[in-house]
Amino acid sequence: DADVTQTPRNRITKTGKRIMLECSQTKGHDRMYWYRQDPGLGLRLIYYSFDVKDINKGEISDGYSVSRQAQAKFSLSLESAIPNQTALYFCATGIGQGTSGELFFGEGSRLTVL
Amino acid sequence: SQQGEEDPQALSIQEGENATMNCSYKTSINNLQWYRQNSGRGLVHLILIRSNEREKHSGRLRVTLDTSKKSSSLLITASRAADSASYFCAPFSGSARQLTFGSGTQLTVLP
Repeated sequence: DADVTQTPRNRITKTGKRIMLECSQTKGHDRMYWYRQDPGLGLRLIYYSFDVKDINKGEISDGYSVSRQAQAKFSLSLESAIPNQTALYFCATGIGQGTSGELFFGEGSRLTVL
Repeated sequence: SQQGEEDPQALSIQEGENATMNCSYKTSINNLQWYRQNSGRGLVHLILIRSNEREKHSGRLRVTLDTSKKSSSLLITASRAADSASYFCAPFSGSARQLTFGSGTQLTVLP
């Protein structure tokens, strides 16, 4: 089984619908991240969390919200999806302060908003 | 956090040739990491070089780091078609709370 699991892997939805992307990890890492990738572009950070009580906005948080339900679970929500949120979304985990900063990625959730 | 900038944006070579990708960054770092992404898949950590290291090897990968020039290079020797992917560098400073990624180098290895 994958260490970082994202669900769903693919989702097609309509404008205005609420969508939740879920991420769970078995690596025991404190840090979790949500990134977005658009075709031909790099990854942009949406939100990140260092523990269940420490949640931070990233570069492009507008239109998104997150919930850190437990150390192992970090969900990303689109309250009212719009077409320009069509993208590939990645969850990643990291160990913590004083470490190398290495990240471990899930396989991605491809979201299409019509 | 700071973002690395990869160059070139795209690279196409024949199987068996070496592939070299470059990365530039702007401020001091603790380490610099290289990641690989197969099309539509998650990024995978390839190799990490610390700021006090100048060169590091891992199999067919060779990474160099020049902190005076704030640059790094990733060399893949004897490329294979399976090496076709996007490659990203990520400079990391100890105080950073996140890793930031550039647009990557898209490598195509032709059989």
